Amino acid sequence: GAGVSQTPSNKVTEKGKYVELRCDPISGHTALYWYRQSLGQGPEFLIYFQGTGAADDSGLPNDRFFAVRPEGSVSTLKIQRTERGDSAVYLCASSFSGGEETQYFGPGTRLLVL
Amino acid sequence: AQKITQTQPGMFVQEKEAVTLDCTYDTSDQSYGLFWYKQPSSGEMIFLIYQGSYDEQNATEGRYSLNFQKARKSANLVISASQLGDSAMYFCAMREAYNTDKLIFGTGTRLQVFP
Repeated sequence: GAGVSQTPSNKVTEKGKYVELRCDPISGHTALYWYRQSLGQGPEFLIYFQGTGAADDSGLPNDRFFAVRPEGSVSTLKIQRTERGDSAVYLCASSFSGGEETQYFGPGTRLLVL
Repeated sequence: AQKITQTQPGMFVQEKEAVTLDCTYDTSDQSYGLFWYKQPSSGEMIFLIYQGSYDEQNATEGRYSLNFQKARKSANLVISASQLGDSAMYFCAMREAYNTDKLIFGTGTRLQVFP
């Protein structure tokens, strides 16, 4: 079946603007994760959903970032009042049920804030 | 605090040779999982191999094997018979079982395979 998909693949925005990044997990996967990868670094955890609820949002850097998963499938990461420091690749992953299950990643959205 | 350390920013290996990518970790938990992912220039993170902390045998997946030394807290990835397509970034990651499901990643090692 299809893997994790993310849209858009690239996003260029201006400082102060609002952006939405979308993740479509593997069908049937209940767990969904967002990570952020800055240049030259490994991915850093942002938030984890189990079903519709955010089980762990400890990685969100501040209140400009929030994410939703209203129907337990597609998730949207929303960034308000973007800053240049938000420029990074935003990766989404899903796993069958969380826990020890392997996380499978999408291709990422490359965000550039000018 | 949990931490993953990858001390090799870059590695070179000749095609068909074996290469070891180092990873050490730090955790106070007894139950945890260790992962290796490959990230080609396209950007997607590709799962390679998993080792649970209670697994008695080293994990193997085709040409990939994980040299797990629990007492030393190391989980090195061994790639046998390197291929040109193995050129990529490689990330070691850890998940603590009693925490949430988040993965903690190292800074990665860039592997370049030459003919």
